[in-house]
Amino acid sequence: SYELTQPPSVSVSPGQTARITCSGDALPKKYAYWYQQKSGQAPVLVIYEDNKRPSGIPERFSGSTSGTLATLSISGAQVEDEADYYCYSTDNSGPPRPVFGPGTKVTVL
Amino acid sequence: QVQLQESDPGLLKPSETLSLTCTVSGASIGNYYWTWIRQSPGKELEWIGSIYYGGSANYNPSLKSRVTISTDLSKNQFSLKLHSVTAADTAVYYCARDPYGGNSPYFDHWGQGTLVTVSS
Repeated sequence: SYELTQPPSVSVSPGQTARITCSGDALPKKYAYWYQQKSGQAPVLVIYEDNKRPSGIPERFSGSTSGTLATLSISGAQVEDEADYYCYSTDNSGPPRPVFGPGTKVTVL
Repeated sequence: QVQLQESDPGLLKPSETLSLTCTVSGASIGNYYWTWIRQSPGKELEWIGSIYYGGSANYNPSLKSRVTISTDLSKNQFSLKLHSVTAADTAVYYCARDPYGGNSPYFDHWGQGTLVTVSS
C-alpha cells in the first residue's frame, strides 16, 4: 500500500525557519497537503494543493514540492507553532485513496 | 461558518457495532463529500471512508468489509457503522468535509473528534 514518509521530529529556535519534509512516490502527480495538530485538538489544514494557504493561516506557513518530496516551511517559527504536522496525499493507482504521513513533531525552543 | 459535531458512542465491547453520527451546520450535506477519519492512540491518522449524497461511498480497503457510511439529508447528518469491533478499533474518530472529492479529495473542516474505546 502507498506510504508517505516524514521525519519523526524537527526542532527550531524561535524566529528561525522550520522545514518538514514528506516523501511519496506519487507526489509528482498528486497534490500534497499539510495539517497542523495541537495537543488535544483536531487537525487544521495549513497548506492545500502543494502551496496554497487557507484563509486565516499565517503567511509564515508555506509549501513547496520537488519531484517526490513535499516540504512545509514555517518561516519565523513561533512558540505557538509547536505541534504535530501531518502531510497528506492520495495514491496514484485506481480510485484515489487518501493517505496520511506518520506525522512530525515540531518543537520550538 | 462550517461546523461538524460527532456523537458520543461511549464504551464498546469487542464484537459490538460502532455507530457514529456527524451533525453538520453551515453547509448542506447535499453539496459536498463527507468523510470519516480515525486517529489511533499512537497518533496515526487513517482514512475510513467518504460519501457524496446521492452517490456511493468509498471505503478504505482495509476496513471495507466492516464499514458502512450513509447520509441523512433531512437532518443534515452523515453516519458511520463499524461492525465487529476489536481493541484495535480504539481511536479518536473524526468527521470531516471534503470540498472537492473526485480525484483530489482532501479535508478542510473537521469535527472535534470523539474517543471510542473498545474493551471487555
